[in-house]
Amino acid sequence: GQQLNQSPQSMFIQEGEDVSMNCTSSSIFNTWLWYKQDPGEGPVLLIALYKAGELTSNGRLTAQFGITRKDSFLNISASIPSDVGIYFCAGLTGNQFYFGTGTSLTVIP
Amino acid sequence: NAGVTQTPKFQVLKTGQSMTLQCAQDMNHEYMSWYRQDPGMGLRLIHYSVGAGITDQGEVPNGYNVSRSTTEDFPLRLLSAAPSQTSVYFCATKKGAEAFFGQGTRLTVV
Repeated sequence: GQQLNQSPQSMFIQEGEDVSMNCTSSSIFNTWLWYKQDPGEGPVLLIALYKAGELTSNGRLTAQFGITRKDSFLNISASIPSDVGIYFCAGLTGNQFYFGTGTSLTVIP
Repeated sequence: NAGVTQTPKFQVLKTGQSMTLQCAQDMNHEYMSWYRQDPGMGLRLIHYSVGAGITDQGEVPNGYNVSRSTTEDFPLRLLSAAPSQTSVYFCATKKGAEAFFGQGTRLTVV
């Protein structure tokens, strides 16, 4: 299957700091997505990106669809304790999602 | 709105036992799928269905069966549980580019 490499694997940050994570693929995707998973819950969509070069914001979150269509990044500004969770990137091809390995975020108050 | 409902939330099985993980959705989405989530490996697709009566294999289908007799339900069957199937299982539907996940079933095989 297609492999998505997500980094970093985990992050420990102080409340108020900005966070950046990225995702790279060996294959091209036409849609990139970012999901957040809270403990004990299923992933929930944060941002969807549909065009190469697209930069999209959702509140304190900003994501970009890489020009090569093989990468994407997610930034979180001014982190707060409720940002804690696992963040997954995903590429969509046809009906199938391919997920990254996840970035575990811990925010220290 | 219930969305995607999975039962049970937790299950412990002995090696060799069989069981069915239930998934029901009330959003009338044609596409449904099952993933397993293991530490450091993200979510991997087990089986999926693009509509009632149609199923297909994903990346890791061995040891699992599915059926789709209605739009609403997409059960996942473990035929003979093995310790390697210890995982968290998620059912998801899809509409456009968005996947909608259930809360997951944490399965332990001893």
